[in-house]
Amino acid sequence: GAVVSQHPSRVICKSGTSVKIECRSLDFQATTMFWYRQFPKKSLMLMATSNEGSKATYEQGVEKDKFLINHASLTLSTLTVTSAHPEDSSFYICSADSGRTPFEQYFGPGTRLTVT
Amino acid sequence: QKEVEQDPGPLSVPEGAIVSLNCTYSNSAFQYFMWYRQYSRKGPELLMYTYSSGNKEDGRFTAQVDKSSKYISLFIRDSQPSDSATYLCAMTGTGTASKLTFGTGTRLQVTL
Repeated sequence: GAVVSQHPSRVICKSGTSVKIECRSLDFQATTMFWYRQFPKKSLMLMATSNEGSKATYEQGVEKDKFLINHASLTLSTLTVTSAHPEDSSFYICSADSGRTPFEQYFGPGTRLTVT
Repeated sequence: QKEVEQDPGPLSVPEGAIVSLNCTYSNSAFQYFMWYRQYSRKGPELLMYTYSSGNKEDGRFTAQVDKSSKYISLFIRDSQPSDSATYLCAMTGTGTASKLTFGTGTRLQVTL
């Protein structure tokens, strides 16, 4: 099956610093990648949708200047949390869409961000 | 009202039991219905998908969709401790790269 990786799996950073999370589709080209945030015992909240070579589309309430998304190639998207604060601590998950059918989104293993 | 409603549980059942997990939804435009399994601190893994109404079976898992009632179910037969996880339903429309709308997930614990 399709594999999506995320790096790092876990990161701890100080308040005010920026953190970059990478999402890669390892064995297929992803026309679209999605970034989600998940709070403990809560469902996945879609943050933004990114297409290769174009600007990301952010969901309502998500600050695009704080969560910078770059989709540089068909296999790589990055999420940068800028000037992180403790309230940004969360589990961030990406998914990659092969573009074949609506349900073929493959999820990465997630990144646990802790801001101290 | 949320677009997708799912009982968060937790649901605890003994090994071997039949498990029934359910979601209701309000958006009649949803056409694809998925069930994901998520282990603790991991990303969701697609278990099954169904297009429109009907049943689909895969091993111990059966997915049902009743579009007239806007109700979907996932049944797990002969449940195993390894089935202990959070199960999320998700739905989307017909366009490719459509956004998925998730339920909150039901946490399942299968005990020995």
